[in-house]
Amino acid sequence: DAGVTQSPTHLIKTRGQQVTLRCSPKSGHDTVSWYQQALGQGPQFIFQYYEEEERQRGNFPDRFSGHQFPNYSSELNVNALLLGDSALYLCASSSGSEAFFGQGTRLTVV
Amino acid sequence: DQQVKQNSPSLSVQEGRISILNCDYTNSMFDYFLWYKKYPAEGPTFLISISSIKDKNEDGRFTVFLNKSAKHLSLHIVPSQPGDSAVYFCAASDNTDKLIFGTGTRLQVFP
Repeated sequence: DAGVTQSPTHLIKTRGQQVTLRCSPKSGHDTVSWYQQALGQGPQFIFQYYEEEERQRGNFPDRFSGHQFPNYSSELNVNALLLGDSALYLCASSSGSEAFFGQGTRLTVV
Repeated sequence: DQQVKQNSPSLSVQEGRISILNCDYTNSMFDYFLWYKKYPAEGPTFLISISSIKDKNEDGRFTVFLNKSAKHLSLHIVPSQPGDSAVYFCAASDNTDKLIFGTGTRLQVFP
């Protein structure tokens, strides 16, 4: 079992650009959540997808959007990047109580 | 508003001794609590969890205690090992699968 895989692992973007991050959930998991972890902070919930629909959303602006595909994989899109969007973006998959995390994508906005 | 708080940013413990990591929460709707461990350049790894209907859950060297009246939980690691050195996050859920994390405690276990 490959677990939760995310790509790319690192990314550098310029302010104002758009970025797409990808996540493949653990085998058998149908729910994908995205989190943002800023330096020195705990992960913060962005949104969650289940059956290709956004089921819950945290306190993030509309610049953050997502998608879930029929195979349960997911994408996180961020438009009009700001310097403050620099963070580790974590994907978690679940099918029950425990969420399993990927290694994250380190996004740097310059 | 920080609903889950880990007030100790760091903890240093000698190998073989007990490590106690603490976590406080404010939302009484939380009914499931988890501890995650995170190494640099890796995602958080699930360690142990506890439902609000229990006050203790044990898994090997790891035990989590929940005090609902005080809205407090703790993670005990006995005996501590150098490989336990990492950042530990407490997280809580209100049955919506959304996790609310604390800011983490960096544990260092020295020989």
